[in-house]
Amino acid sequence: RKEVEQDPGPFNVPEGATVAFNCTYSNSASQSFFWYRQDCRKEPKLLMSVYSSGNEDGRFTAQLNRASQYISLLIRDSKLSDSATYLCVANDYKLSFGAGTTVTVRA
Amino acid sequence: DAGITQSPRHKVTETGTPVTLRCHQTENHRYMYWYRQDPGHGLRLIHYSYGVKDTDKGEVSDGYSVSRSKTEDFLLTLESATSSQTSVYFCAISEMGQGDGANVLTFGAGSRLTVL
Repeated sequence: RKEVEQDPGPFNVPEGATVAFNCTYSNSASQSFFWYRQDCRKEPKLLMSVYSSGNEDGRFTAQLNRASQYISLLIRDSKLSDSATYLCVANDYKLSFGAGTTVTVRA
Repeated sequence: DAGITQSPRHKVTETGTPVTLRCHQTENHRYMYWYRQDPGHGLRLIHYSYGVKDTDKGEVSDGYSVSRSKTEDFLLTLESATSSQTSVYFCAISEMGQGDGANVLTFGAGSRLTVL
């Protein structure tokens, strides 16, 4: 079983819509989590860090559910520029990356 | 953006040839990493370094070696490239190390390697 699993998508949504997707992790000892954004053929870039129950940054909200071992990312009022692959990362003694969820926002 | 550069950005080589990828940083971060990214897989750690001449293996280290003779440079070498090593390679740097809860990575632009 992979340590971090994500629905690969793609999630196709119209501009202005809300989109949410989850990431499950297997190691209950994971102490912190991250969401990275990766544009096509580019490097991953940090979107958000999550150290407790969740985090919010503008239109982006991450929620952590330790009991069920998943973390979600919600994007409100989607923009065309939000089209990307979102990588979930769980941190115990090492960083474990999910394979990513692709989001496509259409006009 | 953080000062981290990778070279070469693209390389095509033949099976059995040696290949070296270079990562250079200007941030003076202690920790440096090499990852590979393949479709359907998350980023997988090849090797990492926690200081000059201090390196350790990651989860997919077979067929790879690394060296760090200066804080700013971290080299990844494929001694004899194989087709299974065709991938996109990312270097990353961080101020915190493995196991630290605030271990945030900054990535280089990637090196796309094709082994024929």
